[in-house]
Amino acid sequence: QKEVEQDPGPLSVPEGAIVSLNCTYSNSAFQYFMWYRQYSRKGPELLMYTYSSGNKEDGRFTAQVDKSSKYISLFIRDSQPSDSATYLCAMSATGGFKTIFGAGTRLFVKA
Amino acid sequence: EAQVTQNPRYLITVTGKKLTVTCSQNMNHEYMSWYRQDPGLGLRQIYYSMNVEVTDKGDVPEGYKVSRKEKRNFPLILESPSPNQTSLYFCASTERTGTRSNEQFFGPGTRLTVL
Repeated sequence: QKEVEQDPGPLSVPEGAIVSLNCTYSNSAFQYFMWYRQYSRKGPELLMYTYSSGNKEDGRFTAQVDKSSKYISLFIRDSQPSDSATYLCAMSATGGFKTIFGAGTRLFVKA
Repeated sequence: EAQVTQNPRYLITVTGKKLTVTCSQNMNHEYMSWYRQDPGLGLRQIYYSMNVEVTDKGDVPEGYKVSRKEKRNFPLILESPSPNQTSLYFCASTERTGTRSNEQFFGPGTRLTVL
């Protein structure tokens, strides 16, 4: 069993839709939860992060962490064609440098 | 401009021919790391470095070497490449642990093909 599981998709939605991306994990030591966005032929860039449980909102993006279920989500409201990318969840234990990434979900937003 | 650079961006080589992929960051970051990205497997850490002359293995270190003689540079060395090392490689740096989610800054990637 992988430490972090993420559905690779692809996920295709119409412009304006609400997108839900999810990851599950098995290591209860994880405290930092991140979402990276990767455009084609580019390196990943940090999009959102959450420390421990709870929600965090930034514009059209909301990150949720449910540590009791070992489940994290990223919601994208009013999705745009420019949101088309691969989204990778990532997790790290407190104070640790080692980060474990999910496989990434490929998202297509159709105009 | 704050950035992580990698060279070369694309490389085709043959089995057994030693190669080095360079990585450099201009943000004075302490931590640097190498990942490989393969379809369905995501990013897997190869090696990381916590500071000059301090390196450690990640999840998939076999067949790779690294060195950290200067803070800004962290080259990845494949002494005898094999076809199973065909992959997309990313270098990343981060300021230090425990700050802003351990945010990592990634280079543009190096696509390596080993024939």
